[in-house]
Amino acid sequence: DTGVSQDPRHKITKRGQNVTFRCDPISEHNRLYWYRQTLGQGPEFLTYFQNEAQLEKSRLLSDRFSAERPKGSFSTLEIQRTEQGDSAMYLCASSLRDSTTQYFGPGTRLLVL
Amino acid sequence: DAKTTQPNSMESNEEEPVHLPCNHSTISGTDYIHWYRQLPSQGPEYVIHGLTSNVNNRMASLAIAEDRKSSTLILHRATLRDAAVYYCILRNSGGGADGLTFGKGTHLIIQP
Repeated sequence: DTGVSQDPRHKITKRGQNVTFRCDPISEHNRLYWYRQTLGQGPEFLTYFQNEAQLEKSRLLSDRFSAERPKGSFSTLEIQRTEQGDSAMYLCASSLRDSTTQYFGPGTRLLVL
Repeated sequence: DAKTTQPNSMESNEEEPVHLPCNHSTISGTDYIHWYRQLPSQGPEYVIHGLTSNVNNRMASLAIAEDRKSSTLILHRATLRDAAVYYCILRNSGGGADGLTFGKGTHLIIQP
């Protein structure tokens, strides 16, 4: 089953360090989404790609966050100068262009000490 | 996106039906009703969606009120593996490209 995969699954870092997460969507899914989920809350939308183009960014995506999808396949989400408030689960999802159904990966759990 | 309202938590017994309600009084004519669920330590997974008519799939049934201001997700025979947070989400048919707007969902507890 080649679903959405994310790497790493867990990351512990110290405040001020940079971290990068990777998402591999379901092959042939041209849409890719990033979400953030804090404890007890539902996921919050961060950004969305169609192929390699980043088409939408939430106001939650501060300038310390950057996402890329260079070849329209996998995507990376980088957080620079991490803060304790960045501790959360980072979820990736993908979908086909003509579908409203999104398929989620298992997430990367980030803990900033 | 129009807002949805769900109970914070519900409890049911194993092998019994479960009816999860969702209110969406400000739904527009082009909004689809989607349900996702999130099992512990996993990402959300799609359950079902519909526009006006009731829908059935292998996971659940979706009953939509005639005025579309509310809907109910029905698990016909709950198992322990159905214990999860269930999210009711409205999604405009003209969109599909924007992110999903999750609320806090309903935490479903299944008693053995």
